[in-house]
Amino acid sequence: EVQLVESGGGWVQPGGSLRLSCVGSGFRFDNYAMHWVRQVPGKGLEWVAGISWTGKSIDYGGFLIGRFTVSRDNAKSSLFLQMNRLTVEDTALYFCVKDSGDSKAASNHFDLWGQGTQVTVSS
Amino acid sequence: QPVVTQPPSTSGTPGQRVTMSCSGSWSNIGTNRVSWYQHLPGTAPKLLIYSNTERPSGVPDRFSGSKSGTSASLAISGLQSDDEADYFCAVFDDSLNGPLFGGGTKLTVL
Repeated sequence: EVQLVESGGGWVQPGGSLRLSCVGSGFRFDNYAMHWVRQVPGKGLEWVAGISWTGKSIDYGGFLIGRFTVSRDNAKSSLFLQMNRLTVEDTALYFCVKDSGDSKAASNHFDLWGQGTQVTVSS
Repeated sequence: QPVVTQPPSTSGTPGQRVTMSCSGSWSNIGTNRVSWYQHLPGTAPKLLIYSNTERPSGVPDRFSGSKSGTSASLAISGLQSDDEADYFCAVFDDSLNGPLFGGGTKLTVL
């Protein structure tokens, strides 16, 4: 079955850290760029980060200011998001998303999504 | 900060045709390709339309997309009860150098 399965979400206090993981199956994971997208309660979707198929090209949403790090392990068909110095504004449902191409490009789209993993930042 | 705007809600009756809009600017919709997604809360969002008008295999032809200038639209004909979901658009923004999402439109089938 073609799918993406996220894990690693949970509750954390402000200033804390979490590491999200995503495992892809049913497709050639190492052929495609991958992204993290989050859905903040009461707001729309927000692109968090994207990584090319090789992992050599990485981009982040402008709001992050260096707090998050995206990485991938193609041998394990896995995508990761290390989140540090979390704030209450980072509370969201985080989706792992497959790109239609091998790197971020204006002509691409998102053709496979996971169900998301919930991150709650609260004291 | 660039934004892409969708009406928060719309509704229709079974069999009816509904349309929903996605409004942006020249740095996003005016220049790049729009995609549309269907999302039922608690499930994975599903790609409905890409490259403004193209349907992935498996998506019924009841779903169609269009684009004109800095706006795009999704139309659903022959509305069915299981079409009730959130629909959002996405497009690359040149000034952000990244993807931008609309806030989503909640479709209610009456």
